[in-house]
Amino acid sequence: GQNIDQPTEMTATEGAIVQINCTYQTSGFNGLFWYQQHAGEAPTFLSYNVLDGLEEKGRFSSFLSRSKGYSYLLLKELQMKDSASYLCAVKDSNYQLIWGAGTKLIIKP
Amino acid sequence: EADIYQTPRYLVIGTGKKITLECSQTMGHDKMYWYQQDPGMELHLIHYSYGVNSTEKGDLSSESTVSRIRTEHFPLTLESARPSHTSQYLCASTGNRESGELFFGEGSRLTVL
Repeated sequence: GQNIDQPTEMTATEGAIVQINCTYQTSGFNGLFWYQQHAGEAPTFLSYNVLDGLEEKGRFSSFLSRSKGYSYLLLKELQMKDSASYLCAVKDSNYQLIWGAGTKLIIKP
Repeated sequence: EADIYQTPRYLVIGTGKKITLECSQTMGHDKMYWYQQDPGMELHLIHYSYGVNSTEKGDLSSESTVSRIRTEHFPLTLESARPSHTSQYLCASTGNRESGELFFGEGSRLTVL
């Protein structure tokens, strides 16, 4: 079967750095996405990785290793508004998205 | 800014009722999707469409139907609602970018009593 694994919940301090990991086992790979979802709201796109390496976008960076089936989302200079769930999703060989259950990130002052 | 809209945002109905959740987008996207999401759980694909008159079932069709008569409109219908249909329903669309990033509507939260 296909599955995406992420930690259920993480806690970090305002101003710090946090890394959210995602491991995947899918039938084929055509890209990996990270989305942010605030409570009660719809997901919004953060990043897309299709090649190995690090993609940086402001305070957020996303890393991919296809050989290890692994990605992480790195959030720097954490702000209270970063409290949200972070969803990892992989596009499989049929170009369908397989979603993880999300990591709830709690930011403390 | 994404231009994809869902109505109603919230709906409470009784068992056995027929309901239609509306989804419209003004971005001219060909591909549209309906997802179901329970709190703390992953998104499950219910239906998708790659263009007008094209619809497919996802891994969780949940006894619902969709239609795609116009590019911008992708309604989801439950013929007979049950308490197990209580959930958040998210509509999304994507254009022709290589990444295929999804733009989501704000969701329709359905409660079936």
